[in-house]
Amino acid sequence: ETGVTQTPRHLVMGMTNKKSLKCEQHLGHNAMYWYKQSAKKPLELMFVYSLEERVENNSVPSRFSPECPNSSHLFLHLHTLQPEDSALYLCASSQGTANMNTEAFFGQGTRLTVV
Amino acid sequence: TQLLEQSPQFLSIQEGENLTVYCNSSSVFSSLQWYRQEPGEGPVLLVTVVTGGEVKKLKRLTFQFGDARKDSSLHITAAQPGDTGLYLCAGRATNAGKSTFGDGTTLTVKP
Repeated sequence: ETGVTQTPRHLVMGMTNKKSLKCEQHLGHNAMYWYKQSAKKPLELMFVYSLEERVENNSVPSRFSPECPNSSHLFLHLHTLQPEDSALYLCASSQGTANMNTEAFFGQGTRLTVV
Repeated sequence: TQLLEQSPQFLSIQEGENLTVYCNSSSVFSSLQWYRQEPGEGPVLLVTVVTGGEVKKLKRLTFQFGDARKDSSLHITAAQPGDTGLYLCAGRATNAGKSTFGDGTTLTVKP
């Protein structure tokens, strides 16, 4: 148990559906992240929130829309996804984005399949 | 190009063998982290190394940070099937604004 909880663990959605991924951290951290992990590809950083403000958006398509209502919760809203968006989506949190040590604590991920 | 290069990409060994995996870069890092990820789960932090030349031990795992803080290694002694997983290194280069992950080494330990 890392203190970061993601729901759902598995999600199958059609290309016309709208769904949301949820992440909650109980570590008192002030930074939260969304990563995408596809087969045979390295972890891709998608979004970074620090103190509830988005500080980084790595050219992610607009069909992915993040939301951070407070420092403990992070959402990823999904709409009109493509099959190539199928992947493991990982949420992480850390004490800060500018610290020397960038230790991140990850959730268990949501396995997303777009059909 | 990947800022952190991990090698080997895949490693399959028998239980009881020793192994070393590497994480290399041409950049200097203020710190490096090692994570292990099991299938269908998120990465779990194993260790952080900060000082050049630092060696940290975690049971049968030995982590070393290069003197110049550009590389790191993970040595596992007497590997067990429970060590199976994807080993990732990550860190923030001193000239970068964000941390980065390597591609990972997929380790399989056969009983």
